[in-house]
Amino acid sequence: DAGITQSPRHKVTETGTPVTLRCHQTENHRYMYWYRQDPGHGLRLIHYSYGVKDTDKGEVSDGYSVSRSKTEDFLLTLESATSSQTSVYFCAGTGSEDTEAFFGQGTRLTVV
Amino acid sequence: SQQGEEDPQALSIQEGENATMNCSYKTSINNLQWYRQNSGRGLVHLILIRSNEREKHSGRLRVTLDTSKKSSSLLITASRAADTASYFCATDASQGAQKLVFGQGTRLTINP
Repeated sequence: DAGITQSPRHKVTETGTPVTLRCHQTENHRYMYWYRQDPGHGLRLIHYSYGVKDTDKGEVSDGYSVSRSKTEDFLLTLESATSSQTSVYFCAGTGSEDTEAFFGQGTRLTVV
Repeated sequence: SQQGEEDPQALSIQEGENATMNCSYKTSINNLQWYRQNSGRGLVHLILIRSNEREKHSGRLRVTLDTSKKSSSLLITASRAADTASYFCATDASQGAQKLVFGQGTRLTINP
């Protein structure tokens, strides 16, 4: 996983509650990403960051926000969790354009 | 919508045989990457091929890229039980920050 740690690894939460997932990296990756993985959909990009305090939306950003106040940490927040956000969430990082991405081990989130 | 589409969705072969997976995409790309995912784990990078390259090798892996057909193939030779995993192609078509867009993946099963 090249120094990318996600926390928590598993979480069960109730509909309507806010949830924050954390991604911590020790490799000084410039770019960081949040994906969700669902059966039949592969991985879909939620948000990404191209530097501290620089973020942009991916293809499935509705209902999610992100923050990156320092290089090491990239936070994903579900403002008000819904059952459709039950998924496995992956964080990834890469040092520059045109290079491989390194992934965390994933966070399994269940919204009940 | 997702950029990459893998084919087949599932593939089951005998150990020692070769496995071929295909990926098609829709727009011009900067690079195309292949990743492997073992069950319940994060994704691991296998190989990156740039848009000006036609073929790359890495051990038992061979990747080809045909930009005129907007397609790529991943060949695993002399398959082993440990190759059982899901394989994803990811394309980067962005200008500036690399944004990897993944396909739905091919589930490969190697039978002993």
